[in-house]
Amino acid sequence: AQSVTQLGSHVSVSEGALVLLRCNYSSSVPPYLFWYVQYPNQGLQLLLKYTTGATLVKGINGFEAEFKKSETSFHLTKPSAHMSDAAEYFCAVSGGYSSASKIIFGSGTRLSIRP
Amino acid sequence: GAVVSQHPSWVICKSGTSVKIECRSLDFQATTMFWYRQFPKQSLMLMATSNEGSKATYEQGVEKDKFLINHASLTLSTLTVTSAHPEDSSFYICSARDWDPNTIYFGEGSWLTVV
Repeated sequence: AQSVTQLGSHVSVSEGALVLLRCNYSSSVPPYLFWYVQYPNQGLQLLLKYTTGATLVKGINGFEAEFKKSETSFHLTKPSAHMSDAAEYFCAVSGGYSSASKIIFGSGTRLSIRP
Repeated sequence: GAVVSQHPSWVICKSGTSVKIECRSLDFQATTMFWYRQFPKQSLMLMATSNEGSKATYEQGVEKDKFLINHASLTLSTLTVTSAHPEDSSFYICSARDWDPNTIYFGEGSWLTVV
C-alpha cells in the first residue's frame, strides 16, 4: 500500500524567494512519485514525476524535486518564486509500473506568494 | 498533449434526482479511468477505478449503488450520482491512463451542486 504526507497545509513565501514544499511517502514497492498543481476551480496539471533513473527531476515552470529513498522524501523546490506560482500543490504516489497502480494523493499544500 | 475532457463543468440538480458526468479521452485510448472527489480546500479522494468493459472497482466507503460508473468504450467513462443529496455536492475529477501505466491525464473537473 502507498501513502503520502505533505508537511504544511499552507506555505507563504516572498516573490523571488526559494519555494520548498515537503512530501514524504510510504510504499511497499518501489514508488513512482508525482507533483501536481491545481489552480482555483480547475483540474490538475502534472509538474513532474519520478519513475526510475536520475533522482533529481526537473519539471515545468522551473520546479524540480529530488527523490531521496533513505529519507522517503520527494520535496518540491523552485529557486525563485513568482506570483503566478500561487496555487495548491499535491504530492502523489503510485505503486510502480503496473496497470493496476492507483495514484494516491497527499492532503495538499497551498502556496501563497507575498509581493 | 493528451487531453481528457469532462462534461458538464458545472451542474446544479434537485435533491433526489440523478446526474451523469462524462469523462472522455480525446486523443488516446484509456483502458483505465479513475474518478476522484474533492471537497473544498481538501485533497482528492479516489472513489473508483474504471476499466473498459468490466465493473468498476470502488474504494472502501464509496457506495457503488449511489455512484454508478460505466466504462463502455476506450474513450468514455461516466459517473452517475443517483438520488443526489446536498452532501453529494462536490468537485468530481476524472483521470485517464494511456499506454504508460504511470502517465495519467486529468480532466478539468465537474462541480456538482445539489439543491
